[in-house]
Amino acid sequence: AQSVAQPEDQVNVAEGNPLTVKCTYSVSGNPYLFWYVQYPNRGLQFLLKYITGDNLVKGSYGFEAEFNKSQTSFHLKKPSALVSDSALYFCAVRDGKMASGTYKYIFGTGTRLKVLA
Amino acid sequence: GAGVSQSPRYKVAKRGQDVALRCDPISGHVSLFWYQQALGQGPEFLTYFQNEAQLDKSGLPSDRFFAERPEGSVSTLKIQRTQQEDSAVYLCASSLWDSGGVELFFGEGSRLTVL
Repeated sequence: AQSVAQPEDQVNVAEGNPLTVKCTYSVSGNPYLFWYVQYPNRGLQFLLKYITGDNLVKGSYGFEAEFNKSQTSFHLKKPSALVSDSALYFCAVRDGKMASGTYKYIFGTGTRLKVLA
Repeated sequence: GAGVSQSPRYKVAKRGQDVALRCDPISGHVSLFWYQQALGQGPEFLTYFQNEAQLDKSGLPSDRFFAERPEGSVSTLKIQRTQQEDSAVYLCASSLWDSGGVELFFGEGSRLTVL
């Protein structure tokens, strides 16, 4: 079965510095990968996805992610962090086909990003 | 509506009570998912609807959990005889298609606390 791992529970970064939130995946076949952000007491918001094509994917709020097939990674990056980026970040992978012919999505355990002023 | 709407946002139930959580997806979205998010964890899949058909309920933790989407729009997740371990945030998500390459749109969740 497909899975994702987020090895860091928390990442601290100073405002203005680049940030990286790590994600590794395990899939059979071509991976469909996603990043979501969750602010306190809110639902998850979609940031970006990798389906195919360029390994560097650009998304919302200046975030980007780099797909690395050899390392089975899909790390989230931003060149210059903002205090308002502080939130919980989830990596997700599309699981295999269900009996219905569609898919379900498997989420990592989340990484809390704290951007310090 | 503009987004996925869930109600109630907060629910406190005594152990043994039945609860019903409502999800109103984005209009026209075919796919609807329910996820359970325990404190400090990622969302865990519960069940999936394609229009009114419940095509996967493999994630429902017990037969006390029941979900329906009778007209292919609003969905209700019902939990009977609630237990303390049912305390979690229940997230509803919808998407336009079911191709698997499409992002999910999440509601803000219903936080259930069972005393």
